[in-house]
Amino acid sequence: ETGVTQTPRHLVMGMTNKKSLKCEQHLGHNAMYWYKQSAKKPLELMFVYNFKEQTENNSVPSRFSPECPNSSHLFLHLHTLQPEDSALYLCASSQDRGTGGTEAFFGQGTRLTVV
Amino acid sequence: GQNIDQPTEMTATEGAIVQINCTYQTSGFNGLFWYQQHAGEAPTFLSYNVLDGLEEKGRFSSFLSRSKGYSYLLLKELQMKDSASYLCAVMDSNYQLIWGAGTKLIIKP
Repeated sequence: ETGVTQTPRHLVMGMTNKKSLKCEQHLGHNAMYWYKQSAKKPLELMFVYNFKEQTENNSVPSRFSPECPNSSHLFLHLHTLQPEDSALYLCASSQDRGTGGTEAFFGQGTRLTVV
Repeated sequence: GQNIDQPTEMTATEGAIVQINCTYQTSGFNGLFWYQQHAGEAPTFLSYNVLDGLEEKGRFSSFLSRSKGYSYLLLKELQMKDSASYLCAVMDSNYQLIWGAGTKLIIKP
């Protein structure tokens, strides 16, 4: 148990569906992240929120839309995805963004399959 | 560009010692992290090095040489539960984590 909870754990969706991934952290952290993890590839940072404000969007397609209503919750809204978007989506949090040595705590991820 | 290299897969025997290497080329350096990730689970923090030298934490140790752009994770007295992927990540000058693709470690009895 890392203190970061993601739901659902598994999701299968069609290319025309709309779904949302949810992340919640109970650590009192100020920064939250969405990562994409594909097999045998490095973790890809998608979005960063610091104190509820989006600070980074790493050229992510608009079919992925993040939302951070408060510092404990983070959502990733999905619509009209492509099969190549199938991957493990990881949420993480850290005490602050922009501080050396600050370790990130990860959720167990949502295994997304787009059919 | 920024790059982290680590072996894709390694195999070792229970009770033995294994060293997982990581080399990096990044824009600036604010520390190097090692994470462990069991299949289907969250990556979990193992170690952080920002100064040269060896950091020991139980059966696991991590070494850093900033001049060589090199780190290794040393696992001693290997146990079957150590079978996992080990991720190397470097924090660059913008405090962004640059990740390696991970090393899958297989432990055999």
